[in-house]
Amino acid sequence: GAGVSQSPRYKVTKRGQDVTLRCDPISSHATLYWYQQALGQGPEFLTYFNYEAQPDKSGLPSDRFSAERPEGSISTLTIQRTEQRDSAMYRCASSLTQGGNSPLHFGNGTRLTVT
Amino acid sequence: SQQGEEDPQALSIQEGENATMNCSYKTSINNLQWYRQNSGRGLVHLILIRSNEREKHSGRLRVTLDTSKKSSSLLITASRAADTASYFCATDEGGATNKLIFGTGTLLAVQP
Repeated sequence: GAGVSQSPRYKVTKRGQDVTLRCDPISSHATLYWYQQALGQGPEFLTYFNYEAQPDKSGLPSDRFSAERPEGSISTLTIQRTEQRDSAMYRCASSLTQGGNSPLHFGNGTRLTVT
Repeated sequence: SQQGEEDPQALSIQEGENATMNCSYKTSINNLQWYRQNSGRGLVHLILIRSNEREKHSGRLRVTLDTSKKSSSLLITASRAADTASYFCATDEGGATNKLIFGTGTLLAVQP
């Protein structure tokens, strides 16, 4: 695609519900990242994929968070049993090459609000 | 956790002036990148500098890297109101990892 696409743009959910966020990266981009960004803060690393492999998920805050990229393209981030502290902007980015030596292209993010 | 820390946290200047932002990081790196974010929107890549480079230019942007001090600076010359944004540095942690960690950001306000 022309850019990184995230859906939904906004998600309001009640505490305890599960949510799944979707990221459609730029086609042929090898690496895909998920970040969490609180208002006024920098993006916090959650996890990344090289194609379908997930070498690092050290940033996932708890085992309620999981991510997949089963075919090496589209990725989902799932938060189970959501809590109010999960409210944030979730940003996805993709880059052409592995190794962290190419720019990240970010989507517009999903604003998650847990009530 | 944040790998990088930008300084200052906020900066206000007049249009036409130069703006300098600094980034300090903790571990050895392969590359350092700078990004801009306008008012809560998506982040946009500005420039990438490799660990064996000391200075890089792109239009009105000048980036320096001092690996001995684990620091980088971003200079925006002849600033414009449209440069008003948050600026973040991002670094890997060296080695073969793709993990890219962002700093805390500098909020730049350019007054017309």
